[in-house]
Amino acid sequence: EAAVTQSPRNKVTVTGGNVTLSCRQTNSHNYMYWYRQDTGHGLRLIHYSYGAGNLQIGDVPDGYKATRTTQEDFFLLLELASPSQTSLYFCASSDALGGHYAEQFFGPGTRLTVL
Amino acid sequence: GQQVQQSPASLVLQEGENAELQCNFSSTATQLQWFYQRPGGSLVSLLYNPSGTKHTGRLTSTTVTKERRSSLHISSSQITDSGTYFCAFTGANTGKLTFGHGTILRVHP
Repeated sequence: EAAVTQSPRNKVTVTGGNVTLSCRQTNSHNYMYWYRQDTGHGLRLIHYSYGAGNLQIGDVPDGYKATRTTQEDFFLLLELASPSQTSLYFCASSDALGGHYAEQFFGPGTRLTVL
Repeated sequence: GQQVQQSPASLVLQEGENAELQCNFSSTATQLQWFYQRPGGSLVSLLYNPSGTKHTGRLTSTTVTKERRSSLHISSSQITDSGTYFCAFTGANTGKLTFGHGTILRVHP
């Protein structure tokens, strides 16, 4: 099974602060994803990537940047955090977008609170 | 855009009863995945089933692609099955997984 880790697991920051969330996967998957989960909205895709240096925009990208530095590492950046970005953030990976190898595996999540 | 409807929104069972969770999606699915989540926990992939029937343990998923629906059957429910079950699908040519809002399952002794 795919191993996806996230850090930090919990983060508190203030409005206007800088936050970087980290994700690493160790199963050589091509695709990595960042989601946020909020009550009433379910899980929503922020950004995703199909390889080092690549970035694709998801469904709720405003206020977020992301960078894929290696095949293993995908970072989510909040440069001017706002209270509306208080959420539970998940990273996921998969080998493909569709077909047999598209199953996504999720990390443990990072709970971010913006005061 | 892609949409996923899950039903029921919540379900209460006594231990040992069976559960049937439904998922309807807005377009032909190239990817269909069922997840489980405890409150505040991570998402655990239960079954990856874009078409046909798949089993694992007490779980059975049946996806009828042409009818744009999938079901998850949990047999002989246990207290530890309590949590939220999500269905997620990817439509053709989108490459993005869209989640339903989940079914909250509570199993009582």
